[in-house]
Amino acid sequence: SQKIEQNSEALNIQEGKTATLTCNYTNYSPAYLQWYRQDPGRGPVFLLLIRENEKEKRKERLKVTFDTTLKQSLFHITASQPADSATYLCARGWGKLQFGAGTQVVVTP
Amino acid sequence: SAVISQKPSRDICQRGTSLTIQCQVDSQVTMMFWYRQQPGQSLTLIATANQGSEATYESGFVIDKFPISRPNLTFSTLTVSNMSPEDSSIYLCSVGTSDTTDTQYFGPGTRLTVL
Repeated sequence: SQKIEQNSEALNIQEGKTATLTCNYTNYSPAYLQWYRQDPGRGPVFLLLIRENEKEKRKERLKVTFDTTLKQSLFHITASQPADSATYLCARGWGKLQFGAGTQVVVTP
Repeated sequence: SAVISQKPSRDICQRGTSLTIQCQVDSQVTMMFWYRQQPGQSLTLIATANQGSEATYESGFVIDKFPISRPNLTFSTLTVSNMSPEDSSIYLCSVGTSDTTDTQYFGPGTRLTVL
């Protein structure tokens, strides 16, 4: 069966540094990989979508890469801020999503 | 953009009872989905709510346990039937259009606790 895996350990990072999160998948490459942010007690909020034929996508301080050879997507938050503290979810597909378990990011001043 | 509201936001229910969760969107959307997030877990797709026809369920989810209605393009309900403590989860509605350049949106969720 297809799997999508994220590092379950929380990422603690100092304000101003770059946070890098990993999402690995198995079997065939999905047409889309998406990244969401989820705050406690709230639904996920869409951040970025990257297509299979795209290597990199950027949005403000966020950057996503998609490596179909490694079967991996990396999510970067540059110049991190305490307000970036949240759980970040990777998901494969569009509409009917398969989510990873999420990685909690804690940005300290 | 789409703004999604869910009712109730949370509930505490007794074992063996049923709860119906409502999802209302402020605009017409093609696609509506129901997800479940069990404590400490990530989101799992329950079903696709189809307007005018029966919902399409994912492996491990059945209509008798999670009946879904979608009477129009802005509204859907999910019922959790004959509840047990294992059904304690956050239930989320998600919507999107058929245009993959559009963002997919999630509701705030309904937190269900079954005693």
